[in-house]
Amino acid sequence: AQSVTQLDSQVPVFEEAPVELRCNYSSSVSVYLFWYVQYPNQGLQLLLKYLSGSTLVESINGFEAEFNKSQTSFHLRKPSVHISDTAEYFCAINAGGTSYGKLTFGQGTILTVHP
Amino acid sequence: NAGVMQNPRHLVRRRGQEARLRCSPMKGHSHVYWYRQLPEEGLKFMVYLQKENIIDESGMPKERFSAEFPKEGPSILRIQQVVRGDSAAYFCASSPSGGAKDTQYFGPGTRLTVL
Repeated sequence: AQSVTQLDSQVPVFEEAPVELRCNYSSSVSVYLFWYVQYPNQGLQLLLKYLSGSTLVESINGFEAEFNKSQTSFHLRKPSVHISDTAEYFCAINAGGTSYGKLTFGQGTILTVHP
Repeated sequence: NAGVMQNPRHLVRRRGQEARLRCSPMKGHSHVYWYRQLPEEGLKFMVYLQKENIIDESGMPKERFSAEFPKEGPSILRIQQVVRGDSAAYFCASSPSGGAKDTQYFGPGTRLTVL
């Protein structure tokens, strides 16, 4: 069985400050990792994903995440946040195999950016 | 290219009634996933379907819940005899091939309220 733990349920920060949203996972097999973002009253949108290769992956809006296999982590970072980054962020894994495309999600982290 | 469509966006039912949630995947996608988001929790996988086939229903409650994805038309998640604990947001996602590396594209969700 797989599980995902997002260590912070809420993260308040000021605009232009750096932020890190933490994600740890547990799995007995190799996994693919995803970060999704959910704006109020909307569905989830893919932010970035790690499939293989370079352990550092980036999104088009300045977020990045680093896959650390030894620590089973996939933390999300942004060096300078904007008000528009206020949203809920979900870390997810897919173990492949008989899991097919089934995603296992963390509990979510609400990022609130204050002016 | 239209995204994943879900309707209705909001659904109110009284205890004991039936709820039908519809999902139209993105054009060209034949793989559909349903997830449920309970208050204060992350998304939980319910069922994975391809056209006319249920591939994985390991997350579906044993009773009252059913899902289908007919050859023609949208995928339907059906909840019979709803109870207050069924109140949640139900999200549908689609992908082109059902693989573990695939990005899943999410709809805006249906928010079910059971009175």
